[in-house]
Amino acid sequence: DTEVTQTPKHLVMGMTNKKSLKCEQHMGHRAMYWYKQKAKKPPELMFVYSYEKLSINESVPSRFSPECPNSSLLNLHLHALQPEDSALYLCASSPSGSPTSTDTQYFGPGTRLTVL
Amino acid sequence: QKEVEQDPGPLSVPEGAIVSLNCTYSNSAFQYFMWYRQYSRKGPELLMYTYSSGNKEDGRFTAQVDKSSKYISLFIRDSQPSDSATYLCAMSKSSGTYKYIFGTGTRLKVLA
Repeated sequence: DTEVTQTPKHLVMGMTNKKSLKCEQHMGHRAMYWYKQKAKKPPELMFVYSYEKLSINESVPSRFSPECPNSSLLNLHLHALQPEDSALYLCASSPSGSPTSTDTQYFGPGTRLTVL
Repeated sequence: QKEVEQDPGPLSVPEGAIVSLNCTYSNSAFQYFMWYRQYSRKGPELLMYTYSSGNKEDGRFTAQVDKSSKYISLFIRDSQPSDSATYLCAMSKSSGTYKYIFGTGTRLKVLA
């Protein structure tokens, strides 16, 4: 299995809703990432987990809450989002749990989120 | 000045053409270079990665890195309509970091 999967593919939610995005990989990768991508912009890093521990939080608002229950699974819990949070949310993974300059990131297909 | 500059395009070429996509960067600490292809509304797909100056070839794709000029390129030979996508360059520094710096992406259209 050489891919990163994400569910759901599309999500529409109101500003008062609570929802979760799910990411899974079975490549034995020890680092997992959440990115946010707006239209015609490059991905922006949000969070990095290494060895299931939060390693990087790029000053993301607390309405986004990541969780890494095990080495294969990464969740992003969403609560009280704003319309400007509408974007493509990408999950990625890389082999090493320790940051290395040659560690290549593999992306999932993304979840397209619309906040009404 | 942005750390990584990439022409956003769109770049339109006829089928069969050789395509050249480029990024320049300002920080000599960047040591590892990637090219991703992203179809509309999909996640980025890794195409090429390289750690050193010079050329690396994979099928119709060639990645070129010139560290002295802080310039990287991706060449696509015999371009196909299926190559129509946004191409993102990404790079990371030699010191241990998870953080990639992405270019803004170049939109490529290959016309049949």
